[in-house]
Amino acid sequence: EAQVTQNPRYLITVTGKKLTVTCSQNMNHEYMSWYRQDPGLGLRQIYYSMNVEVTDKGDVPEGYKVSRKEKRNFPLILESPSPNQTSLYFCASSWGVDEQFFGPGTRLTVL
Amino acid sequence: AQKVTQAQTEISVVEKEDVTLDCVYETRDTTYYLFWYKQPPSGELVFLIRRNSFDEQNEISGRYSWNFQKSTSSFNFTITASQVVDSAVYFCALTPMEYGNKLVFGAGTILRVKS
Repeated sequence: EAQVTQNPRYLITVTGKKLTVTCSQNMNHEYMSWYRQDPGLGLRQIYYSMNVEVTDKGDVPEGYKVSRKEKRNFPLILESPSPNQTSLYFCASSWGVDEQFFGPGTRLTVL
Repeated sequence: AQKVTQAQTEISVVEKEDVTLDCVYETRDTTYYLFWYKQPPSGELVFLIRRNSFDEQNEISGRYSWNFQKSTSSFNFTITASQVVDSAVYFCALTPMEYGNKLVFGAGTILRVKS
């Protein structure tokens, strides 16, 4: 089944404790992205990648890191999480400028 | 810089009413794509449509229709004869063709359809 998977789906952590949210797609898509969703703000792009080893900042990259070492994986790294990074996070992938396939979301709470 | 405005935060209608969700965008790019996505209460994001800036033809898919007007920078979405299952958050989004992955979303419109 074609899908984008994210892990974990739910995470509660404390300020400053490094964490990684994994994202994997099995559709051989070149494009992948990370978004955060906050009430009243819609989805805001954190980082995007148009190919392996090619990443660029979205609108809200501060406090996040990404890497794209393999085509299928695009992990999101929070080196020192803070409470303002409490949010719902979505990973997405696509063939070029086309429909984005979204993962199920990761709900992160930083205490 | 790109910007997408969905001025309607929340709309409530009764089943079978028609409803239009507004989307206004700003961009300096001459070539771009516009999208609509649906997020039902279950939380997943569902693709509805993609439209490129060259194509101003309206599109109809069942009860859904989209009106793209470059002159007013709008890409509005109409649901005809709404149903309870249409209740969801709807997002409009924009990306320049040059950066196919750099998507900017509007804040979303919550649509509640009552039976």
